[in-house]
Amino acid sequence: GDSVTQKQGQVTLSEDDFLFINCTYSTTTYPTLFWYVQYPGQGPQLLLKVTTANNKGISRGFEATYDKGTTSFHLQKASVQESDSAVYFCALVGDSAGNKLTFGIGTRVLVRP
Amino acid sequence: AQTIHQWPVAEIKAVGSPLSLGCTIKGKSSPNLYWYWQATGGTLQQLFYSITVGQVESVVQLNLSASRPKDDQFILSTEKLLLSHSGFYLCAWSRDNYEQYFGPGTRLTVL
Repeated sequence: GDSVTQKQGQVTLSEDDFLFINCTYSTTTYPTLFWYVQYPGQGPQLLLKVTTANNKGISRGFEATYDKGTTSFHLQKASVQESDSAVYFCALVGDSAGNKLTFGIGTRVLVRP
Repeated sequence: AQTIHQWPVAEIKAVGSPLSLGCTIKGKSSPNLYWYWQATGGTLQQLFYSITVGQVESVVQLNLSASRPKDDQFILSTEKLLLSHSGFYLCAWSRDNYEQYFGPGTRLTVL
């Protein structure tokens, strides 16, 4: 079945630091890949979508790049702010109907002022 | 614009008691609907999805069931709660482009 691996459980940064979160995946189909962000007590929000067609997504200062060779897609932001503190999940849709979404374990990002 | 509403916001229930959680989506006809469970500090586990009224597919069996009685409504239920059912329950909807949008969630505590 599909799987998504996030190895970084927590990342602690200072404001204006560079953020990089890596995610690797395994699937037998052409994947559609997502990054979601979840703030405390809320449902996850869709941050970015990356497909094998476009290889890259950009939103709210975040950028996600897909690498088919290493089956990875990472999330980065050049300069984080305290308001970026949240849990970031990578996720994968691997079925052709697009209904089965598999999430990674999440990376908690703490940005100190 | 589409809006998704979940009820109740939070529940505290006893082990062995029944449960019913609801989700309504407005502003989108014939959405695909989903239920997820999230343990505290954990990842999201997809439980059920539905692409049309009266039709529900199970992804993971956690002694829960789901129903879709109306086009805009998705219900999650069980007749007998377990301690392991505690967590955050999230409803989501999607368009045809695979993007899923989540509701605010229901916090369930089973004692």
